[in-house]
Amino acid sequence: DIQMTQSPSSLSASVGDRVTITCRASQGIRNDLAWYQQKPGKAPKRLIYAASNLQSGVPSRFSGSGSGTEFTLTISSLQPEDFATYYCLQHNSFPWTFGQGTKVEIK
Amino acid sequence: QEQLVESGGGVVQPGRSLRLSCVASGFTFSTFGMHWVRQAPGKGLEWVAIIWYDGSKTLYADSVKGRFTISRDNSKNTVYLQMSSLRAEDTAIYSCARENSKYGLDVWGQGTTVTVSS
Repeated sequence: DIQMTQSPSSLSASVGDRVTITCRASQGIRNDLAWYQQKPGKAPKRLIYAASNLQSGVPSRFSGSGSGTEFTLTISSLQPEDFATYYCLQHNSFPWTFGQGTKVEIK
Repeated sequence: QEQLVESGGGVVQPGRSLRLSCVASGFTFSTFGMHWVRQAPGKGLEWVAIIWYDGSKTLYADSVKGRFTISRDNSKNTVYLQMSSLRAEDTAIYSCARENSKYGLDVWGQGTTVTVSS
């Protein structure tokens, strides 16, 4: 199975900060990676697909990069509505696996 | 509007069974693979199972293999998750999700809560 190691597990940041979250795959997954945002009591919302493609309707302050084993989600200027938990998902091979999640909290 | 709505959750004793349903609307259900994903209280997301668009193939996480069965009825736009021999560690919110070609899961339901407790 492919393990997805996501870091950090949590972070505190202020509105306007630049935030970076990383996912590392235990083996190469090409660009078969998506990023999701989840708010309490809500379904996950896809932000990025194919590692670097912005989902339609998602603000351009979100961006993704990487290929192979190292991936990054960046929020260029954190907004109040961005405080949530973020997950990566590898869909290169079964079983699909999620990162452990990164909770972004208000500083 | 593309939508998935789950039902069938509840409180069940260990060792018993439960069947979850997920009804799709707003898209051509029969052309998409469908997944179940769960989230235990206070924990992260865990992939559970997939069924191919035509029902020809299914795959499971090791944690549920042999106990859970995913199926679908394309005439009813519905995917099911039959859960048997339930354990306390199966307690979670179960969500169905649509697979978009090679791009992961793009549409999710709100989930239905399963609690396994005596």
